[in-house]
Amino acid sequence: QQQVKQSPQSLIVQKGGISIINCAYENTAFDYFPWYQQFPGKGPALLIAIRPDVSEKKEGRFTISFNKSAKQFSLHIMDSQPGDSATYFCAASMFSGGYNKLIFGAGTRLAVHP
Amino acid sequence: DVKVTQSSRYLVKRTGEKVFLECVQDMDHENMFWYRQDPGLGLRLIYFSYDVKMKEKGDIPEGYSVSREKKERFSLILESASTNQTSMYLCASRYRGRGYTFGSGTRLTVV
Repeated sequence: QQQVKQSPQSLIVQKGGISIINCAYENTAFDYFPWYQQFPGKGPALLIAIRPDVSEKKEGRFTISFNKSAKQFSLHIMDSQPGDSATYFCAASMFSGGYNKLIFGAGTRLAVHP
Repeated sequence: DVKVTQSSRYLVKRTGEKVFLECVQDMDHENMFWYRQDPGLGLRLIYFSYDVKMKEKGDIPEGYSVSREKKERFSLILESASTNQTSMYLCASRYRGRGYTFGSGTRLTVV
């Protein structure tokens, strides 16, 4: 049972275009939604994160849009560059059983073509 | 910056072997985690630890155990390796609610 559903599985975007990755969740107890970026041969690295009390967060070319009523959130990469080619994971965190639990989506492999 | 170091980048082990994956972090973080990463399944939590000698099962603990004798070191143990444990293993650490810092991973192949 996948608690965080991520789509698409892979994405090809032309340089300068907008990359959009979507995630959906079911459990309303989630209260923190980070995105991780992973380059080949490296571990995932925190890219940007949002809490459900805001609908959007922007850091440079990266924006998270959050729709609490629909239980969906998405990552938008503006002016996509070849250097953005990586695997992106959305995640959701909640406090459960005495600890914070972080659940990851299945990942999206992004390729930005020059 | 926090550094999380995994001792091996690649490992090849035989079925039935006992396998140790080591992870060390250098920032006195309390929380440490072991995940496995498989294509199409994302990262799945195997075990985690809140402090020295403390451990909790994650979502897929079967076939694994862990050890945390020192705060900086968290070991994942495959008691009797099987081919379905061929995977990428990622260690992470976290300080009280801040983002996770991951190591570069150990790609384990069980033959």
